[in-house]
Amino acid sequence: DTGVSQDPRHKITKRGQNVTFRCDPISEHNRLYWYRQTLGQGPEFLTYFQNEAQLEKSRLLSNRFSAERPKGSFSTLEIQRTEQGDSAMYLCASSSDFSTDTQYFGPGTRLTVL
Amino acid sequence: DAKTTQPPSMDCAEGRAANLPCNHSTISGNEYVYWYRQIHSQGPQYIIHGLKNNETNEMASLIITEDRKSSTLILPHATLRDTAVYYCIVRARNNDMRFGAGTRLTVKP
Repeated sequence: DTGVSQDPRHKITKRGQNVTFRCDPISEHNRLYWYRQTLGQGPEFLTYFQNEAQLEKSRLLSNRFSAERPKGSFSTLEIQRTEQGDSAMYLCASSSDFSTDTQYFGPGTRLTVL
Repeated sequence: DAKTTQPPSMDCAEGRAANLPCNHSTISGNEYVYWYRQIHSQGPQYIIHGLKNNETNEMASLIITEDRKSSTLILPHATLRDTAVYYCIVRARNNDMRFGAGTRLTVKP
């Protein structure tokens, strides 16, 4: 069990550019979650997948955001036409609904939009 | 999911027990109480969870009142490395996590 990993750990981009983040869940975890966390706040739910199906999306997930989990393993989160308000920590978590469904978080990707 | 109320901050002396309270008066029968903590610039770390009974693991103990309207996370011998923001979350199985602002615990030497 190597834990949830995320890549990159840090990303600095200019406003208007597209960025993509990757999350590798704990092996055999069938559920994968994306959260966003801004400074001084708790994480906010964005979306989640069960296997490859995206089952829920928060209203926070604007049409500039898209998430995929094509083979039910790793997931990507893409932000198009980034804005300064997108600057945040993007967190990924995974869980297994065959056990306690406890979510385990990765280290996060910190995005800074200049 | 039920809402939780936690004090914004607490201090604890190193080596003493840290008792972090959480109120969740609207908790439903199928909702678990979860505790996570987040050390600066890291992802949240799972600590413990429970439904009705008190729980203990290598990190902490969770005491849930009989009416389930409140709980206490106990770190038995706090160290400086326990300084973090602690989140109490109530959540039904298979639902997403709804984090509040948490309690900022500072362990002092």
